[in-house]
Parts: sequence; structure tokens; C-alpha cells
Amino acid sequence: AQSVSQHNHHVILSEAASLELGCNYSYGGTVNLFWYVQYPGQHLQLLLKYFSGDPLVKGIKGFEAEFIKSKFSFNLRKPSVQWSDTAEYFCAVILTTGNQFYFGTGTSLTVIP
Amino acid sequence: ETGVTQSPTHLIKTRGQQVTLRCSSQSGHNTVSWYQQALGQGPQFIFQYYREEENGRGNFPPRFSGLQFPNYSSELNVNALELDDSALYLCASSSPLGGGETQYFGPGTRLLVL
Repeated sequence: AQSVSQHNHHVILSEAASLELGCNYSYGGTVNLFWYVQYPGQHLQLLLKYFSGDPLVKGIKGFEAEFIKSKFSFNLRKPSVQWSDTAEYFCAVILTTGNQFYFGTGTSLTVIP
Repeated sequence: ETGVTQSPTHLIKTRGQQVTLRCSSQSGHNTVSWYQQALGQGPQFIFQYYREEENGRGNFPPRFSGLQFPNYSSELNVNALELDDSALYLCASSSPLGGGETQYFGPGTRLLVL
């Protein structure tokens, strides 16, 4: 079955700690990959996306993600988190020929000042 | 801000009632997708509309229906509401140049069914 897995459901970090959130997908075709963030009380916002080319993509607010095709993974990283990064993070996948996003269940990140 | 707007922001209904949610897409986008996000879950695809036609549907029953208008705004209608329909309903707009395009989300409508 097609799915997107986010292994970490809740992550708590202190400010300045490094962050890595895992995302794995299981689809047979070529995919585009996304990370969205949902700050408390706000709507889903695009952090970064991968369509093709350099597998290391950089997004807004210092986030980056690496696409590893052999591992079907697209992990999100940030070298030093801030309190303002407290939010829900969603990995999403869409087939390049498709029209629907498949989302993971999300990872809740809490950053302690 | 993405330019995608949704109304109303919150809604309370009782079981068996019907509800209509509205979405205005981002300027230049002719495709609207609807998602249901239950508490603690990721969004689940309901369906997509492109040029006023349904263009794909997720695993939702027929009582979930939609419309898209010539100005690309859209409605989601849910009949015979059930308690499990309580969720955040998200609208996303995109421009389907060839599939797999980025979708831009609105703030959502939070529906509570009592």
C-alpha cells in the first residue's frame, strides 16, 4: 500500500540543538517531495520541495532536506533550532503524474528556550 | 499568506445535518483540492476539481461532494453529517502544468459535529 511514514511523533529539543525529522515513503513511481509546517493556529505553509536535480534542497528559515532515492527517504534537517520553530511538521509526497498529496501523520516539535 | 481563503473559519453542526464549505483559490490557479485533517493526523485527500470537473477522488463516501465555479472558487458539501466528520477541512490550490505540482493551502474550516 502507498504510504508516507514519519517516525517521530513528538520531538522536544532545547534551543540551538540540531534537528532531524525522518520521512519515508513507499510509492512505485517518480515522486515529488515536500515538507510543510503548521505553526500553532496557522495554516500549512510550504517549507521546501524536491522535484529533481540536487538531492539536497534548501528551504525557508534555515531548513534543508535530503532526498535519498535508494532509501525512499526525505529527511528534514536544521542545524540549530529556535523557539519559533515550535510547530507541526508534515512530509508529503505526490506522484509526478498525480494530483493528490499523500501526507505523513506529522511530527510535533517543541523547542524549549 | 498563500492567497487561498476559506469560509467559514469555524462551524458547529449536529449529526444528520448538511454543511457547505467554501474556498477561493490563489490568483492564477485553476485547480482546487480538498483535504480532511482529523485531530493528530495528516491531511487526507478528499477530491480535486480542475476546470469545474472532478479530477480525482480519495477514499471518501459519496455524501462528500463538491463544485468548482468558473472563477475557480470551490465548495465542499457534506450530507448526513456523522460525528467522525469533525475535523479541519483544508482547501489547496495549484496550477496543474503536468501533475505533481505544489499545492498552496488555506487556513481551513474547523467543523465540529455534535
